Amino acid sequence: GQSLEQPSEVTAVEGAIVQINCTYQTSGFYGLSWYQQHDGGAPTFLSYNALDGLEETGRFSSFLSRSDSYGYLLLQELQMKDSASYFCAGSGSARQLTFGSGTQLTVLP
Amino acid sequence: DGGITQSPKYLFRKEGQNVTLSCEQNLNHDAMYWYRQDPGQGLRLIYYSQIVNDFQKGDIAEGYSVSREKKESFPLTVTSAQKNPTAFYLCASSPATGGNEKLFFGSGTQLSVL
Repeated sequence: GQSLEQPSEVTAVEGAIVQINCTYQTSGFYGLSWYQQHDGGAPTFLSYNALDGLEETGRFSSFLSRSDSYGYLLLQELQMKDSASYFCAGSGSARQLTFGSGTQLTVLP
Repeated sequence: DGGITQSPKYLFRKEGQNVTLSCEQNLNHDAMYWYRQDPGQGLRLIYYSQIVNDFQKGDIAEGYSVSREKKESFPLTVTSAQKNPTAFYLCASSPATGGNEKLFFGSGTQLSVL
């Protein structure tokens, strides 16, 4: 099985940089994904790391360290629309994703 | 436009009643999933299907049933055996060859008990 831990809440101001951490305990770990979910909406895919290192997609970057069982999502130039919940998810065998409990990001003006 | 359609958006269940949540996709994806989300919590896997006429239990399958008679459709039935069904239900799909790292989600069904 898998379990993922992430902070429940993070607050930052518009234009700032914020990092959301995720640690995991898992067997058969393949990679780490990140999803964004606005209130009452569907989760949308942000990024996936199968290998150690940093993946950059516009204002968002994601990092994975397999040796530390740790990853993070980095959001730069924060905008008000980035206020949402962010979930890390561990990808394992049998084509199943296990999700963390989510981090509620609040962006202040 | 390709996507996943869930219906209804809101559903109410009476005591002892079975209800069925619809999920249809036109993305030509082989794999489909059902997740349950409780307020302030992550998503928990109920059932998943990798191919037509085949499905497997997830972490919280008790009180639920599914079918996969067509590639496009993966309905979820919440049975009367599920004693705490109030939650937000999300259907998702993924391509067969892309691994399971990118899921495409529907807009969800909010189920409440009367």
